[in-house]
Amino acid sequence: DTAVSQTPKYLVTQMGNDKSIKCEQNLGHDTMYWYKQDSKKFLKIMFSYNNKELIINETVPNRFSPKSPDKAHLNLHINSLELGDSAVYFCASSLRLEGDEKLFFGSGTQLSVL
Amino acid sequence: QQQVKQSPQSLIVQKGGISIINCAYENTAFDYFPWYQQFPGKGPALLIAIRPDVSEKKEGRFTISFNKSAKQFSLHIMDSQPGDSATYFCAASIFQKLVFGTGTRLLVSP
Repeated sequence: DTAVSQTPKYLVTQMGNDKSIKCEQNLGHDTMYWYKQDSKKFLKIMFSYNNKELIINETVPNRFSPKSPDKAHLNLHINSLELGDSAVYFCASSLRLEGDEKLFFGSGTQLSVL
Repeated sequence: QQQVKQSPQSLIVQKGGISIINCAYENTAFDYFPWYQQFPGKGPALLIAIRPDVSEKKEGRFTISFNKSAKQFSLHIMDSQPGDSATYFCAASIFQKLVFGTGTRLLVSP
């Protein structure tokens, strides 16, 4: 009964390939996110969706395209992978409780681009 | 202006000691300040959070101290345990967007 699950956990691929990461949450939350954690552990928001609608799009290259088929799923597709895309990608969902935004993260997808 | 500065980068504390991690921000529009704990191979998990109208919040061994005028806040872990060894991130929220600090790797020695 994992709350936020993402697949795959590890992804090793060659430069130039296209890959997808899937995320699903069973918490009933309306908002989902993609965060990128680099090799120095720095966490940065990439995208945020609320009820399938894109609400935050940080300065992320066009090669990254999120897709939300329903409010429980937020997938991330990456075209033409580059070495610099190597990182851990975290999906998260959030609950707004008494004005506080509580984020629940998945376990991450470690992407290695060779 | 949307940065959150966190220090120290790493911290070693003896079992039973107090761990203190500090964060500072510039943007006064931030309205919510959570701390997240991350274990290796896992996603960050919410530990404790505070709003700027409160100067201190305590939950068990974890306390946030908040200084609105100085635009600083800190996490205190009392009676630190080896199981607390993890990376800790402070964060600040604006318009449903969390901006994270750079993280502090805490090691509690037995």
